[in-house]
Formats: sequence, C-alpha cells, structure tokens
Amino acid sequence: NAGVTQTPKFQVLKTGQSMTLQCAQDMNHEYMSWYRQDPGMGLRLIHYSVGAGITDQGEVPNGYNVSRSTTEDFPLRLLSAAPSQTSVYFCAVQGTQETQYFGPGTRLLVL
Amino acid sequence: DQQVKQNSPSLSVQEGRISILNCDYTNSMFDYFLWYKKYPAEGPTFLISISSIKDKNEDGRFTVFLNKSAKHLSLHIVPSQPGDSAVYFCAASPDSGGGADGLTFGKGTHLIIQP
Repeated sequence: NAGVTQTPKFQVLKTGQSMTLQCAQDMNHEYMSWYRQDPGMGLRLIHYSVGAGITDQGEVPNGYNVSRSTTEDFPLRLLSAAPSQTSVYFCAVQGTQETQYFGPGTRLLVL
Repeated sequence: DQQVKQNSPSLSVQEGRISILNCDYTNSMFDYFLWYKKYPAEGPTFLISISSIKDKNEDGRFTVFLNKSAKHLSLHIVPSQPGDSAVYFCAASPDSGGGADGLTFGKGTHLIIQP
C-alpha cells in the first residue's frame, strides 16, 4: 500500500452528520478511485477521477461527493451520513494498465 | 446482477499443496483480469493480472489461467504457504488501455492454508 495514504483509519458518525475521508498519493498517477467494501461483498466503485478537475460516478455514488483539485488528493465527502454507509472505504491509485494500488482503508460506523 | 462471480466463499488447503481459486464472469466486454490478496484490516494488494489476449500468466508461485470461451479464470498457487492465508478477490476491467472506469470485483474467496 506504499504511496497511498488514507485518514482517518476509523470514524464513528451519527446519522445526518457530514465528514470527509482523505486520500493522498505520492505516486504522481492521474487515475484515482474510491471503493467501499461491505461484509460478504466485493469492492464496489463509488467515484473515480481521471485527473485534476475531472471526476465521474461509479456503481454506487449516491450520498457521496468528490472533487479533485490536485493530482495528489482525492477526498470523499459524505454529505449526510446514513447507517447504510457503514462500511470500509478504500482509495485506489491506478498504475500501469489496469492495476490499482489501494490505501489501507477507513472504517466508518454510522449510528 | 453479478458480473464477476467467485462461487467459493472459502477454501482450505494443506501447506505445500496447490491452491486453486476460481472466478467466472458474464460481461463479454471484460478484457483485463486481476487477482488481489487482502489481509484483515489492510487494503487489497495486487497479485497478478492477465490480458484477454493471453491464456496464461505466471509470476513465481502464482499462475493465472484464462478461458475466454468459458468466461472463466483461475489462480493457482504452488506450493501453498501459511502466508498465503488471506481473502482473494478476482477483478475485471473492460478497458486495457489505461481507462480509469474502475474494476468490477467478485465477492472474494477466503483461502486458509492448514499446517
């Protein structure tokens, strides 16, 4: 997971609260993505970015917002947290071809 | 509708033997396939990949086989070691040209290597 950092590692929110999950990379790659992983499920794509100023929706974008003002950072915002957003969130940076390098994850619990 | 399926939630293999993890896909547009390994409380780690123009790719103890007509791929680990115990995810992408549309993942197979 070298080169991709995520903060915080763990967060507890109350329903309706907002927060930002941070992701930073030092690999100087253009493509970054956010995934969520739920128990018994694979990773599902939330949003992705092909470069600074460009973002797009993935498979499960509802309730999340992203922006990409720099190559290094790709924050994920929860506008009004819901219990259904309890999950583990992974940020990824795409290297050569389709290989994606993942951060260590943020565990989010929404009460 | 699941486009990438890993039908075995878990697999137990003796140390030193071969581990075979299977993956099926339904989307004919997929042309690049990857395997990731994940330990608890860590992010997935890239293991090995294969392009649809190949039917086999090997990297040390790990070999991935692709059968396009059957829409099936498998990961072979020989010999299996205790450190291989992890969850393995199969993933696929429709774009081998560097597209960033993201990967479609299977649900994972928990591999347990028995001493």
